[in-house]
Amino acid sequence: NAGVTQTPKFQVLKTGQSMTLQCAQDMNHNSMYWYRQDPGMGLRLIYYSASEGTTDKGEVPNGYNVSRLNKREFSLRLESAAPSQTSVYFCASRPSGSSTDTQYFGPGTRLTVL
Amino acid sequence: AQKITQTQPGMFVQEKEAVTLDCTYDTSDPSYGLFWYKQPSSGEMIFLIYQGSYDQQNATEGRYSLNFQKARKSANLVISASQLGDSAMYFCATTPSGYSTLTFGKGTMLLVSP
Repeated sequence: NAGVTQTPKFQVLKTGQSMTLQCAQDMNHNSMYWYRQDPGMGLRLIYYSASEGTTDKGEVPNGYNVSRLNKREFSLRLESAAPSQTSVYFCASRPSGSSTDTQYFGPGTRLTVL
Repeated sequence: AQKITQTQPGMFVQEKEAVTLDCTYDTSDPSYGLFWYKQPSSGEMIFLIYQGSYDQQNATEGRYSLNFQKARKSANLVISASQLGDSAMYFCATTPSGYSTLTFGKGTMLLVSP
């Protein structure tokens, strides 16, 4: 049982390049999330998918797109990377939308945009 | 909208002592959940403890307990008998009932010294 996996672990991009961060969970969870973590800012929600087939914007969605490919996979795409998107990106999943359920986090992707 | 405030950027404690990490929240929702996560230097997010707004008793999980004062809108984490491995960043988070997204505070860095 791998839990939540993210690829890649590290990535360096040049300004204007595009890339997709991959996330998969094997816990049969309904909800999945993408966060970014910047120094001194805590975690901020980028996008989430409450269930397969739905996606919604979070607090900081600008410059990102997401795809809920199936129940297991939720990808985050940067179409034209900017230095302001240098951050650590976390994917998370949750069994349901209940407020009593905790979220389970992946190991993170450290992205640097030059 | 929800807001989490963690006023202690850093805390120091000696091994085997207890420590309290502060968390205050602001929400207009009548029902909500409160979470604490630990982030060690390796970067992963580890769930520690959960408190529901209608729970009559304070949550406890091993050496972790949550001092929940609903009228004061505070949900402080108490770590008893600190260990060196407790040195990490600690985040408080909240979610309204019926929703699946989490709002995080900016975190408190805890350093445990021998």
